[in-house]
Amino acid sequence: AQSVTQLGSHVSVSEGALVLLRCNYSSSVPPYLFWYVQYPNQGLQLLLKYTSAATLVKGINGFEAEFKKSETSFHLTKPSAHMSDAAEYFCAVSVPNFGNEKLTFGTGTRLTIIP
Amino acid sequence: DVKVTQSSRYLVKRTGEKVFLECVQDMDHENMFWYRQDPGLGLRLIYFSYDVKMKEKGDIPEGYSVSREKKERFSLILESASTNQTSMYLCASSPSALGSLGTDTQYFGPGTRLTVL
Repeated sequence: AQSVTQLGSHVSVSEGALVLLRCNYSSSVPPYLFWYVQYPNQGLQLLLKYTSAATLVKGINGFEAEFKKSETSFHLTKPSAHMSDAAEYFCAVSVPNFGNEKLTFGTGTRLTIIP
Repeated sequence: DVKVTQSSRYLVKRTGEKVFLECVQDMDHENMFWYRQDPGLGLRLIYFSYDVKMKEKGDIPEGYSVSREKKERFSLILESASTNQTSMYLCASSPSALGSLGTDTQYFGPGTRLTVL
């Protein structure tokens, strides 16, 4: 079975500083990996996804993530934090399963931006 | 834009009541999902459906059932609500079933915050 672990349930960074949110996965077959963001009082929306093409994936709002097989990681980064990035971020994994695929989510990381 | 709507943003029910949570998507998606979201636990899959009248159990189906009579509508049913079902419930949909091999983006509704007293 696949799983993801998000290190740090809360992360605080100063406005303009680097954002780094950590995600490690476990899977017996090559996985597909996703980052979703949830702004206050909203549902989740996709930031980016890795589907076995380029290992460095660029997403919306200046975020990117790099798939590192040797480290089983898919960390999310943004060079310069903005106040509007304050939200909860979820890493998720799925694997091919003959049409019966489902996402397995991490426990989430709440990002706070310090003015 | 894909739109997933949920019938209520906030709902308060009493223990033992039968509760219906409705979800509608407007993009002709094949797959629909119900999750519950709890602090520190992330999102956990309750049920999903990859076709009309089809359903599959997720990771935590106990105490829940679902109905999908039409492609665009997926209902979550709590037969007899209990206090431990107090949670945020999120519905999602994704475009294709077979052939996507797990790469589909899921589109989420705004959520229903259910309180069971």
